[in-house]
Amino acid sequence: DAKTTQPTSMDCAEGRAANLPCNHSTISGNEYVYWYRQIHSQGPQYIIHGLKNNETNEMASLIITEDRKSSTLILPHATLRDTAVYYCIVRVASGGSYIPTFGRGTSLIVHP
Amino acid sequence: DSGVTQTPKHLITATGQRVTLRCSPRSGDLSVYWYQQSLDQGLQFLIHYYNGEERAKGNILERFSAQQFPDLHSELNLSSLELGDSALYFCASSAPRDGGTTEAFFGQGTRLTVV
Repeated sequence: DAKTTQPTSMDCAEGRAANLPCNHSTISGNEYVYWYRQIHSQGPQYIIHGLKNNETNEMASLIITEDRKSSTLILPHATLRDTAVYYCIVRVASGGSYIPTFGRGTSLIVHP
Repeated sequence: DSGVTQTPKHLITATGQRVTLRCSPRSGDLSVYWYQQSLDQGLQFLIHYYNGEERAKGNILERFSAQQFPDLHSELNLSSLELGDSALYFCASSAPRDGGTTEAFFGQGTRLTVV
């Protein structure tokens, strides 16, 4: 699976959009971009994933550049409860052989 | 609620002892993964089972072992425990039997404290 690079930490004001970048310059054509987050000491939580089109769900939006070498997770109206470590993972979306591998992620702090 | 259940939530035991952590995956998921997360550390992959068979090993110590049973639940056995084994242990499941993209869903973890 391709390697990802994320900033170590970011902060955001409550109510504003939080834009979390991820670089994945070695991504292959069949690899998806997945985002998870881990709120302190809880189990990681799946947020969203995409291949090449932008995606939106009730939690966030995922913007993937046309060359697919980078992406941005957008939390449109961050709340204090969005304070967490956010992980960007690049992987193939297949059956039983995949192992979700987590780097250090981005620690997002949302302040009042 | 992710649908993945881990028991117990907390476990305190002495050095040298043996413990068993249990994971019930989401209904229909065939893959189970175990991870260890020590204080202020990242998620370290330990082992992966798919439909009862071991598929991959990560940084799992020889003192640790796991298995996945026919009903797809899994157990992680930790023996000869040392202080450094104190950590959060997470289980995740994915690969639903009916196919589809396979995001992983995590349980809330077992916090193991070795004293």
